[in-house]
Amino acid sequence: EVQLVESGGGLVKPGGSLRLSCAASGFTFRSYNMNWVRQAPGKGLEWVSSIGSSTNYIYYADSVKGRFTISRDDAKNSLYLQMNSLRAEDTAVYYCARGGTYCTNGVCYIRFFEYWGQGTLVTVSS
Amino acid sequence: QSALTQPASVSGSPGQSIAISCTGTTSDVGGYNYVSWYQQHPGKAPKLMIYDVTNRPSGVSNRFSGSKSGNTASLTISGLQAEDEADYYCSSYTSSSTHVFGTGTKVSVL
Repeated sequence: EVQLVESGGGLVKPGGSLRLSCAASGFTFRSYNMNWVRQAPGKGLEWVSSIGSSTNYIYYADSVKGRFTISRDDAKNSLYLQMNSLRAEDTAVYYCARGGTYCTNGVCYIRFFEYWGQGTLVTVSS
Repeated sequence: QSALTQPASVSGSPGQSIAISCTGTTSDVGGYNYVSWYQQHPGKAPKLMIYDVTNRPSGVSNRFSGSKSGNTASLTISGLQAEDEADYYCSSYTSSSTHVFGTGTKVSVL
């Protein structure tokens, strides 16, 4: 059974940093694209970042580019999101999701998000 | 990247069919067959219902179907049931190698 368990959320002041983790099990982690998707309280879903298997690509939403860094440790079956210079608008539940991708001619298409974790809440407030 | 446009709410009676639209541009929905749909119940994580416009993952009821015409994708729920009451989001790959979600639609079963 595929399981994704996020951790690391909490309350942080504006301008602060936080590192989220996602522990994966039940599948061959190194073979899959992984993603972070967030949802502000009472709002819709927002794609944040994606990382390819073997870290062959990394993409970010414009809203977090330059502030967030996605990474993975295939030996530990873990996905990470380092969040710096946090703002109030980053307050959200952050979900880890396993993706479905199609790669051809050096381009990888993020097709869908197949499995999701339960999410971890990040609150940015003074 | 602007969010894809969905109606805020759609409702129907048990047994009826409803459709949820998802409108984008030629840079996302209209340019790729990588549209997916997600169901989210309150307080729960999203669940993949449709991928690559028309495909259903294993275990998803065949009452759910997807389609696309031009820049607009649609999710149809037939034989509406009480447990279908939830929020639904579309999403698409974009020409910027990113991903964009829809604004979300609340489905109510009357």
